[in-house]
Parts: sequence; C-alpha cells; structure tokens
Amino acid sequence: QKEVEQDPGPLSVPEGAIVSLNCTYSNSAFQYFMWYRQYSRKGPELLMYTYSSGNKEDGRFTAQVDKSSKYISLFIRDSQPSDSATYLCACMKTSYDKVIFGPGTSLSVIP
Amino acid sequence: GAVVSQHPSRVICKSGTSVKIECRSLDFQATTMFWYRQFPKQSLMLMATSNEGSKATYEQGVEKDKFLINHASLTLSTLTVTSAHPEDSSFYICSARVRTGNTIYFGEGSWLTVV
Repeated sequence: QKEVEQDPGPLSVPEGAIVSLNCTYSNSAFQYFMWYRQYSRKGPELLMYTYSSGNKEDGRFTAQVDKSSKYISLFIRDSQPSDSATYLCACMKTSYDKVIFGPGTSLSVIP
Repeated sequence: GAVVSQHPSRVICKSGTSVKIECRSLDFQATTMFWYRQFPKQSLMLMATSNEGSKATYEQGVEKDKFLINHASLTLSTLTVTSAHPEDSSFYICSARVRTGNTIYFGEGSWLTVV
C-alpha cells in the first residue's frame, strides 16, 4: 500500500464550479500536509501548508485535514481555466523530514 | 515566494556521457535539498536527500554511484547523472527547504534526454 493515495482522475469541471480534491494516507505519524499544483512540464508550486487537523483558507483555496480518518482535502471555489493542472498532496512526519507525495490528480476546468 | 532555480532546464546528451544539473536557492539558505525524478503522468519519486556539507541519503533502489549528488553550500546542490543511458531520460526536479523554517520550494525542473 502506498503511503499517500489520490484518485488520478482526470477530473473535468465547468468554469465556476467548486472542485473537491482528496487524498488518503496510511501513516499516522504524518503531521504536516501540503498541496502542490503542477502545470505540465513545470515544477510543483506550493499552494497550501497545514499542520495537524483543521482547516486553512487562502483566497479561493481551502485545505482540510482530518487526522482521525487520515483524509486530506483541497477545495477550489469559483474554479478557473487557469486552475487546470495536476494537484499533488504531500505529507511529512516532522518539519525536517522528507516529503511523501501522492500520485496527483489531473484537473481540467472547462470554459 | 522563495525561488529555486534549476539549470539547465533542458539537456540532451549522448549515451555514455555524464551530465550535471544544478539547483540553487536564490533568495534563501537551504540546509536540505531534495532530488526527484518524474516520468510522464506519474508522481514525483524521491531519489535522494542532500544536506549541506554531508553525504546525500539515497532512497532504496537509487544507485548512488550513478546519481552523484553534491551539496557544497547552503544555496547550491548538484546532481550528476554518470554514464547516462536512454532509460535515464526523465524530468528531474529539485526542492529546497528554507533554513529558518520548514517550507519546501521546488525548482522548475530539468528535462534530460539521453540519445
């Protein structure tokens, strides 16, 4: 079993929709959770960084972590075509540990 | 946000030769840098963790003699693919952890094609 799992998609939504992206993880030692966005042929870009359980909001993006169920979510409101990318969730045990990535979910926002 | 620069962004080399990829943190000091490779439509695979001034820690299955990593300063790490073969063709990405915090930033990646 991989440590971090994601539905690879592809996920296709109309412009303006609310997008829900999800990850599950197996290692209860993970404390730090990130979401990265990766455009084709580019390096990943950090979107959200959270510690332990709870919600974090940044503009149109909201990250949720539920450690009891080992479930991570990213919500994108008012989705835009420019949001079309692959979204990678990632986890760390400590702030100085290596990052473990999920396989990524491909998102297309259709104008 | 912080900037991590990789060079070259694209490189083509002949089979059997070696190629070096540089990773620089431009506006911060990075005690730790990570090297990944990514095949098309797949996630990032961690190859090694590089700490400034010490030997890199390689992930299981990654040949340390083939993928030489040097982290000579707080702003520079290099990955050298030695005796490259076509199967080494991939997208190589570095990331750097900010020294004074725990945020990790990624470079833009380097496309290696071995012909």
